[in-house]
Amino acid sequence: GQNIDQPTEMTATEGAIVQINCTYQTSGFNGLFWYQQHAGEAPTFLSYNVLDGLEEKGRFSSFLSRSKGYSYLLLKELQMKDSASYLCAVSVRGSTLGRLYFGRGTQLTVWP
Amino acid sequence: GAVVSQHPSRVICKSGTSVKIECRSLDFQATTMFWYRQFPKQSLMLMATSNEGSKATYEQGVEKDKFLINHASLTLSTLTVTSAHPEDSSFYICSAPSGRLYNEQFFGPGTRLTVL
Repeated sequence: GQNIDQPTEMTATEGAIVQINCTYQTSGFNGLFWYQQHAGEAPTFLSYNVLDGLEEKGRFSSFLSRSKGYSYLLLKELQMKDSASYLCAVSVRGSTLGRLYFGRGTQLTVWP
Repeated sequence: GAVVSQHPSRVICKSGTSVKIECRSLDFQATTMFWYRQFPKQSLMLMATSNEGSKATYEQGVEKDKFLINHASLTLSTLTVTSAHPEDSSFYICSAPSGRLYNEQFFGPGTRLTVL
């Protein structure tokens, strides 16, 4: 099976930087996604990593180390609207195309 | 960008009734769609994979006779919760692979089901 682990909750203050970690143990790793989900809404796509390294996209960056089975999502210049759940999900070769395995999500609360 | 819609957004029903939830891909075709259930403060739990033109594939522990899935066309999948009970109250979300570079999922806005 697939095992994806991320912290349940994190808090940070407005303007700060926060790093949300995700570790995974999968067979046939084929990429890692990060999604943002506000309460009562659908998840929205943030980033995708399949090769080692850092992908930067504005205030958000995502890092992947395949050898360590580790990823993180880095959020800079935090804003109140960044309070949400952040979901780490992996794609696995041999699964139905598009099928993702989700972690439990990290609830981030940004304080003023 | 690609849009997935769900209908209804909220539904309240009495115990024992059946509820149908529709998931549509509005500007792209989806041979596969995924149905998730999400309980408060928990992550997405995949229930089943909906396949156009063939039977749905259910995850372990999900009763296929209770959660009926029909993928009627390349743009529509439906989930019917039969004989709903209060424990079926949850947030149901569908998604479809975008078919784009990353093949990321596009999620519907979700359906909040409350069974009294």
